[in-house]
Amino acid sequence: QQQVKQSPQSLIVQKGGISIINCAYENTAFDYFPWYQQFPGKGPALLIAIRPDVSEKKEGRFTISFNKSAKQFSLHIMDSQPGDSATYFCAASKDNNNDMRFGAGTRLTVKP
Amino acid sequence: NAGVTQTPKFQVLKTGQSMTLQCAQDMNHNSMYWYRQDPGMGLRLIYYSASEGTTDKGEVPNGYNVSRLNKREFSLRLESAAPSQTSVYFCASSEWANEHQPQHFGDGTRLSIL
Repeated sequence: QQQVKQSPQSLIVQKGGISIINCAYENTAFDYFPWYQQFPGKGPALLIAIRPDVSEKKEGRFTISFNKSAKQFSLHIMDSQPGDSATYFCAASKDNNNDMRFGAGTRLTVKP
Repeated sequence: NAGVTQTPKFQVLKTGQSMTLQCAQDMNHNSMYWYRQDPGMGLRLIYYSASEGTTDKGEVPNGYNVSRLNKREFSLRLESAAPSQTSVYFCASSEWANEHQPQHFGDGTRLSIL
């Protein structure tokens, strides 16, 4: 079974809007939560990551919100742009890269 | 700076055929990984090599073998391809496997098995 559940599967947002993607996990031993961005025909690229000792991390227009008690974390993309159109994957791991578990992905389309 | 290079980019096989997917990185990374990506499943780790000379199974290793040829190269072999192995395969590398070092991915090999 998938250890990290991601929603929605697809998302359409108008340019300038806020895109929100959610993930939930079960394993409380997870201690690292990255988000990857993938463009068509390319491999995933690390976008932003958070550890459970903080509730929020912001890098430019991208913010991760983390709720340890609910075992949920989310990616917020502010002022979404057409260039943000891609598939986004959340992930979680507990000790190292060898046990990374990925969500199923969200295909984001930002309409101009 | 090429990063992680995978060959071939596309391949079609018949059931029972064998093939090797090649991966090379030029970032002097110690750890390398092979993932498969399937619709609705995200990425799943097949095998990894934490350092040159070592390889270990990941989440879905059945039907695959790997070779860490040297520090730069990590290959994935399908000995007897099955339709269930139709997928997009990604190679990745990181400086080390521990401490949650960022993984750098190649652009993938799209493999279809008929």
